[in-house]
Amino acid sequence: EVQLVESGGGLVKPGGSLRLSCAASGFTFSNAWMSWVRQAPGKGLEWVGRIKSKTDGGTTDYAAPVKGRFTISRDDSKNTLYLQMNSLKTEDTAVYYCTTGPIPITMIVVVCPWGQGTLVTVSS
Amino acid sequence: NFMLTQPHSVSESPGKTVTISCTGSSGSIASNYVQWYQQRPGSAPTTVIYEDNQRPSGVPDRFSGSIDSSSNSASLTISGLKTEDEADYYCQSYDSSNEVFGGGTKLTVL
Repeated sequence: EVQLVESGGGLVKPGGSLRLSCAASGFTFSNAWMSWVRQAPGKGLEWVGRIKSKTDGGTTDYAAPVKGRFTISRDDSKNTLYLQMNSLKTEDTAVYYCTTGPIPITMIVVVCPWGQGTLVTVSS
Repeated sequence: NFMLTQPHSVSESPGKTVTISCTGSSGSIASNYVQWYQQRPGSAPTTVIYEDNQRPSGVPDRFSGSIDSSSNSASLTISGLKTEDEADYYCQSYDSSNEVFGGGTKLTVL
């Protein structure tokens, strides 16, 4: 079964740091481009950033509000995606989801997995 | 900056068909794939359409996606509406190397 499980959320003070993890299973993680998406309370979905597979360069792209503060990385040996968040602001308070594009499981079965999300609260 | 605009809300009766639009602010929406996501209250998003018009396994064929270049918009059509389709729906596409989400549409099935 294809699965993404986020962890690492919690309460942090403004200016603090937090690292989120996303454990992947059921597919070839090393081939996948992985993304982080967040959702502030009562608001819509917001793209945070993405990391390409190492075979496609392993490069990262970030949304303007988090550029320079957040860093996405991956450990393909552990099938895990990370989001290092520094200099956190109250407006970073959100549920953070990891996701990826279509994963072909068989010739006819394609899934597009999302994690269940992890809540990050930035407050003094 | 490229933006995707969706109606704030739509409503329709069970058994009917509803279409949710997603209009690109510039460029050609047909130049990049569009995805659609469903989010029920209190749950994580799920993908209902990827690459403009492809359905992931398990998504009923009542859900379909299309692109209209003339209006620079994408559409999600849900036929045979069921009460379980009541949710927020988001479109998503790309702007250069970034991903962009629409603001979301609340679908009420009444």
